Amino acid sequence: QKEVEQNSGPLSVPEGAIASLNCTYSDRVSQSFFWYRQYSGKSPELIMSIYSNGDKEDGRFTAQLNKASQYVSLLIRDSQPSDSATYLCAVTSQRSSNTGKLIFGQGTTLQVKP
Amino acid sequence: KAGVTQTPRYLIKTRGQQVTLSCSPISGHRSVSWYQQTPGQGLQFLFEYFSETQRNKGNFPGRFSGRQFSNSRSEMNVSTLELGDSALYLCASSIRGPNEKLFFGSGTQLSVL
Repeated sequence: QKEVEQNSGPLSVPEGAIASLNCTYSDRVSQSFFWYRQYSGKSPELIMSIYSNGDKEDGRFTAQLNKASQYVSLLIRDSQPSDSATYLCAVTSQRSSNTGKLIFGQGTTLQVKP
Repeated sequence: KAGVTQTPRYLIKTRGQQVTLSCSPISGHRSVSWYQQTPGQGLQFLFEYFSETQRNKGNFPGRFSGRQFSNSRSEMNVSTLELGDSALYLCASSIRGPNEKLFFGSGTQLSVL
């Protein structure tokens, strides 16, 4: 079983719709969770971080964390063609605040169609 | 403020050779992580350095090594290159470690022929 799993997609949504991206992780002691966006040919960039159960909203993005189910998701409201990219879920592997490994999922490719 | 700088941008090597990649983190960042990215495996963690000490290592063979200097600049070395080492090698820096936002460099694209 992979440490961090995502559906590779592509996930295709029409412009203006809500895109829902999901991620599961295997290490129960994971403490920090991130969503990175990577455009084709570019490096990943952080768009959301979440550390406690529940929802965290930032503009059109909402991250949701459920530690009991070992599940983290990203919702993108009012999706735009510029949101078309690969979204990478990342999880730290250890409880210690800054010494864990940051493990990435394979990424989900999102296509927003005009 | 300058971003994370990786050199060289592209490298072509042949099997059996060795290669050294360089990463200069953002000023003030003491943590440097290295990742290998391939279409099949995605982003895989290689190692993380903080204040010249390797704090974590991924599941890569001993041919992959790294170090960090007192100015936080980091290098990674791959010896006895194999075809499967062809990948994009990304360096990322943060102030204290992987629980914070990572800033990625543009990467070094390594091709092994």
